[in-house]
Amino acid sequence: DTEVTQTPKHLVMGMTNKKSLKCEQHMGHRAMYWYKQKAKKPPELMFVYSYEKLSINESVPSRFSPECPNSSLLNLHLHALQPEDSALYLCASSSRETQYFGPGTRLLVL
Amino acid sequence: RKEVEQDPGPFNVPEGATVAFNCTYSNSASQSFFWYRQDCRKEPKLLMSVYSSGNEDGRFTAQLNRASQYISLLIRDSKLSDSATYLCVVNRGYQKVTFGTGTKLQVIP
Repeated sequence: DTEVTQTPKHLVMGMTNKKSLKCEQHMGHRAMYWYKQKAKKPPELMFVYSYEKLSINESVPSRFSPECPNSSLLNLHLHALQPEDSALYLCASSSRETQYFGPGTRLLVL
Repeated sequence: RKEVEQDPGPFNVPEGATVAFNCTYSNSASQSFFWYRQDCRKEPKLLMSVYSSGNEDGRFTAQLNRASQYISLLIRDSKLSDSATYLCVVNRGYQKVTFGTGTKLQVIP
């Protein structure tokens, strides 16, 4: 089973809202990732967790706050977002080098 | 120069044609390489890993040239279902992954 799940599938939020994106995998992978993808652009790496610790933060604004409660779960907490943050947010996991992606959360910030 | 570069296309090819994509990368310390495909409004899905010796999976062949720092993907006997964006992915180690800009393929009946 190479499934990564993400909830919600779609999210609309105002600039003053607080929301969270959730990602789950049960493949025993020890690395999990958050990516942001704008239309017609490739995914851009945001954060990497390795063994439940944050290992990479690609200079992401603090209005995005990742959290890894356990080895299967990854959250992305959103607060005071801007309209330009509207995008597809993809979660991925990997055991070694090969990443498997979830279906993404399509976020619209109004 | 971008870290990973691809011709954005689109490549419009008839069914049954052979099409090749190239991808160049700038960091000579890059360790592993992949091709992913992404359908419109869907997540990227792994197509194949790329090895120095070259590897083949059915109609798909991938090659890596470390000396020239490029990887390639060859698709033979194109099907309508091959229409997608093909993303080259380079792993520099320690989970540092960079996606290429993607090449759009449209297979025409």
